[in-house]
Amino acid sequence: DQQVKQNSPSLSVQEGRISILNCDYTNSMFDYFLWYKKYPAEGPTFLISISSIKDKNEDGRFTVFLNKSAKHLSLHIVPSQPGDSAVYFCAASPIQGAQKLVFGQGTRLTINP
Amino acid sequence: EAGVAQSPRYKIIEKRQSVAFWCNPISGHATLYWYQQILGQGPKLLIQFQNNGVVDDSQLPKDRFSAERLKGVDSTLKIQPAKLEDSAVYLCASSVSAYGYTFGSGTRLTVV
Repeated sequence: DQQVKQNSPSLSVQEGRISILNCDYTNSMFDYFLWYKKYPAEGPTFLISISSIKDKNEDGRFTVFLNKSAKHLSLHIVPSQPGDSAVYFCAASPIQGAQKLVFGQGTRLTINP
Repeated sequence: EAGVAQSPRYKIIEKRQSVAFWCNPISGHATLYWYQQILGQGPKLLIQFQNNGVVDDSQLPKDRFSAERLKGVDSTLKIQPAKLEDSAVYLCASSVSAYGYTFGSGTRLTVV
């Protein structure tokens, strides 16, 4: 039962262009969504989050969009930089805070110079 | 602030052997989590502690996995006996009540 799905295992983008990573979820009880970034041999690091009362949250080059009716969120990175090459995980929680997170399978983003 | 410390970084064992992982969370973080990440999948919660009490262990295979958190600080996760399908990265994370987790670097377990 995959409640959070990232259907693209990999994505390749040219440096300077926009990277768009997508995530779908099935559980309507999810109320808080997060994106994590993971480099090889390191643990995931928190990138950006969004509450269900919002449809957009922006932090520098990173913007997360939430479409509750479609149960879909996306992460936009613009402009993309070589250091953005990593695996990105979408995660969801029924409530903001120190609660159980359900993760997607991850998308490997490669930024080409 | 020091991060979440985990050891060992790598472990190779034969099936049916036992193994233990250790985690030291960020000081003051009451909540501690153990996640299992199988190659090609996202992390899956195994167990969540609040101080030294278990909040959620619904996905912990209790016939072979056990975990404890001594005095509400360090935690150990044990597998006995290990199976081939236990090969994964075991991630420890801690948090305060407000925001997302801080993960450790993980322990990569290979069962042969």
